Amino acid sequence: GQQLNQSPQSMFIQEGEDVSMNCTSSSIFNTWLWYKQDPGEGPVLLIALYKAGELTSNGRLTAQFGITRKDSFLNISASIPSDVGIYFCAGQYTGTASKLTFGTGTRLQVTL
Amino acid sequence: GAGVSQSPSNKVTEKGKDVELRCDPISGHTALYWYRQSLGQGLEFLIYFQGNSAPDKSGLPSDRFSAERTGGSVSTLTIQRTQQEDSAVYLCASSPRAGPLAGGQETQYFGPGTRLLVL
Repeated sequence: GQQLNQSPQSMFIQEGEDVSMNCTSSSIFNTWLWYKQDPGEGPVLLIALYKAGELTSNGRLTAQFGITRKDSFLNISASIPSDVGIYFCAGQYTGTASKLTFGTGTRLQVTL
Repeated sequence: GAGVSQSPSNKVTEKGKDVELRCDPISGHTALYWYRQSLGQGLEFLIYFQGNSAPDKSGLPSDRFSAERTGGSVSTLTIQRTQQEDSAVYLCASSPRAGPLAGGQETQYFGPGTRLLVL
């Protein structure tokens, strides 16, 4: 099935650094979502974006819905060890199914 | 309240056997989704249920895969004659509503998944 292009695939950063990751699609979405998945768990929703151009924050996390509706980015400021995990973007086109199309994931490792 | 639950959490089976995976959505959620996550990959949509409407089966990879949702609540994903390539984590998600009028009520909440290994 279709997957969104997400980059980078993995990141090794030091505690306290800022992190940026992005997601692009060949088709438009009217909702962008960012999820975090810890080992052995299902994805947990971090931020939801509903409008093109929207910039939304959740604590140290900031995400933006691209103007073209084909991309989104997620920033994490001042990273801490518990930020370790895999981050997935997901696009959703509100329709009869509202199924999510997921990115390939960004694996984040934080070193002390 | 309780989140989405799935059982079993792990399943090891032999090639050719049938397996059943169960999902209990959040109470009151009308939409239920199944996704598959292969090792190191993102999630791949399999099937979607919304209320009493016919399910969207467009993501099922073959006719060996089927799913039911009884009484608008619990769902069972069945894989017949399992193959080694079926090995993956199967995730279930539910949302309060879905569809063009859902307006922000479509946020999907995921269960912990069932890890399936086909030997």
